[in-house]
Amino acid sequence: GDSVTQMEGPVTLSEEAFLTINCTYTATGYPSLFWYVQYPGEGLQLLLKATKADDKGSNKGFEATYRKETTSFHLEKGSVQVSDSAVYFCALSDRSGSGGGADGLTFGKGTHLIIQP
Amino acid sequence: NAGVTQTPKFQVLKTGQSMTLQCAQDMNHNSMYWYRQDPGMGLRLIYYSASEGTTDKGEVPNGYNVSRLNKREFSLRLESAAPSQTSVYFCASRSLRGQGGSAANEKLFFGSGTQLSVL
Repeated sequence: GDSVTQMEGPVTLSEEAFLTINCTYTATGYPSLFWYVQYPGEGLQLLLKATKADDKGSNKGFEATYRKETTSFHLEKGSVQVSDSAVYFCALSDRSGSGGGADGLTFGKGTHLIIQP
Repeated sequence: NAGVTQTPKFQVLKTGQSMTLQCAQDMNHNSMYWYRQDPGMGLRLIYYSASEGTTDKGEVPNGYNVSRLNKREFSLRLESAAPSQTSVYFCASRSLRGQGGSAANEKLFFGSGTQLSVL
């Protein structure tokens, strides 16, 4: 079945540091890939997405490129801020219908990011 | 502009008690989902409803039942709560568009969560 593997946390960085959160996936079909962010006490919000190979999703300074050859979708940001502290989830949606229950998403376990001033 | 609304936000139950978590969306979405979030486990799909009148099991359906009351509402019921069901529960929805009804490219909208403790 489909699966998403992302780096374990917590990841602790200083403000203005460069961020990479690794994400790799396995899927039977041709998935769409997503990064969701969860701020304390809130539900998940879509951060960015990519729907086909070599697409780059970007939002709020974050970027991720869909790499089919390495089955990866790593999240990057050049200069993090304290306000970026949150839990980040990589996810996929498999159009073949075999992932996460037909229309559902398959999520990674989440990476807790802590940015110190 | 409410989006996805879940109630209650917090609940404490004793083992064996029952309760229903309510979820409603006002975005005219076809698909609705219930996930649970546990430390180190990420989000796991409990049940989903691809359209009004249909429901299907997800990854971890045991101990739960669902009802898709209408297009807006999708409730999750615990008939006899167990400590293993202590978790944070999230309802989500998304639209279903295009021929074949694939929602793969459509983002999920999440509610703010229900923190449930079963003692």
